[in-house]
Amino acid sequence: RKEVEQDPGPFNVPEGATVAFNCTYSNSASQSFFWYRQDCRKEPKLLMSVYSSGNEDGRFTAQLNRASQYISLLIRDSKLSDSATYLCVVNRGVGNQFYFGTGTSLTVIP
Amino acid sequence: GAGVSQSPRYKVAKRGQDVALRCDPISGHVSLFWYQQALGQGPEFLTYFQNEAQLDKSGLPSDRFFAERPEGSVSTLKIQRTQQEDSAVYLCASSQTGTFYGYTFGSGTRLTVV
Repeated sequence: RKEVEQDPGPFNVPEGATVAFNCTYSNSASQSFFWYRQDCRKEPKLLMSVYSSGNEDGRFTAQLNRASQYISLLIRDSKLSDSATYLCVVNRGVGNQFYFGTGTSLTVIP
Repeated sequence: GAGVSQSPRYKVAKRGQDVALRCDPISGHVSLFWYQQALGQGPEFLTYFQNEAQLDKSGLPSDRFFAERPEGSVSTLKIQRTQQEDSAVYLCASSQTGTFYGYTFGSGTRLTVV
């Protein structure tokens, strides 16, 4: 079983829509959680960390459910510039590797 | 430097050729990671350094892959006798040890083996 599983999509949504991505992880020892964004032919860039209490950054909201080993990302009021691949990432602790999902592709349509 | 720098940006190698990929991490970053990203996939872990010590090389796919970081800064990933399945983007990332912050990736080296 893969360490991190994501629905690859693609998700095609109109501008202004709300879209949610989900991710599950297999190792209950995972300690830190992130969402990365990757544009076509570019490197992944940190979008936001995910905290147990949930956290929000502008139009983006991330949630973590440790009991279900589940992470989510909600994007409100989608913009054309949100079109990218969103990677779910988990880490077992300092000095340990990060495990990436395969990514979820989002296209925001005018 | 301001970011993680990787070179070359693109590399085309003939099958069987040896290649060397360079990563120059953010100044002062102790941890350095190499990842391999195949088309349509997420990055897959290759190896991890803390300073000059290679603490985890469990992700290296075969003994043709070798990485070093002799002075605890610049790192080189070497692939010997390249095969077509080695074609991928090789990403380097660095971070400060002791934090739970996500790390910063370089732009990657796109290796194509023909």
